[in-house]
Amino acid sequence: DAGITQSPRHKVTETGTPVTLRCHQTENHRYMYWYRQDPGHGLRLIHYSYGVKDTDKGEVSDGYSVSRSKTEDFLLTLESATSSQTSVYFCATTSGLTGELFFGEGSRLTVL
Amino acid sequence: SQQGEEDPQALSIQEGENATMNCSYKTSINNLQWYRQNSGRGLVHLILIRSNEREKHSGRLRVTLDTSKKSSSLLITASRAADTASYFCATDAEIQGAQKLVFGQGTRLTINP
Repeated sequence: DAGITQSPRHKVTETGTPVTLRCHQTENHRYMYWYRQDPGHGLRLIHYSYGVKDTDKGEVSDGYSVSRSKTEDFLLTLESATSSQTSVYFCATTSGLTGELFFGEGSRLTVL
Repeated sequence: SQQGEEDPQALSIQEGENATMNCSYKTSINNLQWYRQNSGRGLVHLILIRSNEREKHSGRLRVTLDTSKKSSSLLITASRAADTASYFCATDAEIQGAQKLVFGQGTRLTINP
């Protein structure tokens, strides 16, 4: 158990509202990632971070922003949620030494 | 486009039988990983095989890697009902100029008692 906590675990919101998902880790891992998982698409990388205040885009970053002000927290923000952002979002971390990713339990977001 | 793609998409076998899942990828890799996901849960790392390795074992799991064919297989021997899950391969690929781990769509394995 890599000590990764995602919150909220479930959220229902309306189109156009802002949403923030939080990932908290207790392992002091340098690298943190946000993925979304959708049927037929597997897991797709949204954004990642390689250190405090160091973030970059993944393959499906449009409509999402991230922030990392502390090693342990990585926030994913949907500035104005759309129905296409209905998905299950996973946070993952790694120390980078072994390449193994540790995943949180996921946050299920429904945008109506 | 997907770097790694699993085959089959779904597999249903009887308890005690062996389960084999395949993964194909497109570009050269440094390593390939397999993950497991139980329904409604996060992914859990199973095994990592490096590009200079051909086979690796971990308990009832056996992973092979053929870099010439750009493919890998995951074999689960003597399957149990608790092995029911989705299995994903992941390979390192270049995204936005940096190496990142890219996942396939997964194989959904059902073990029937």
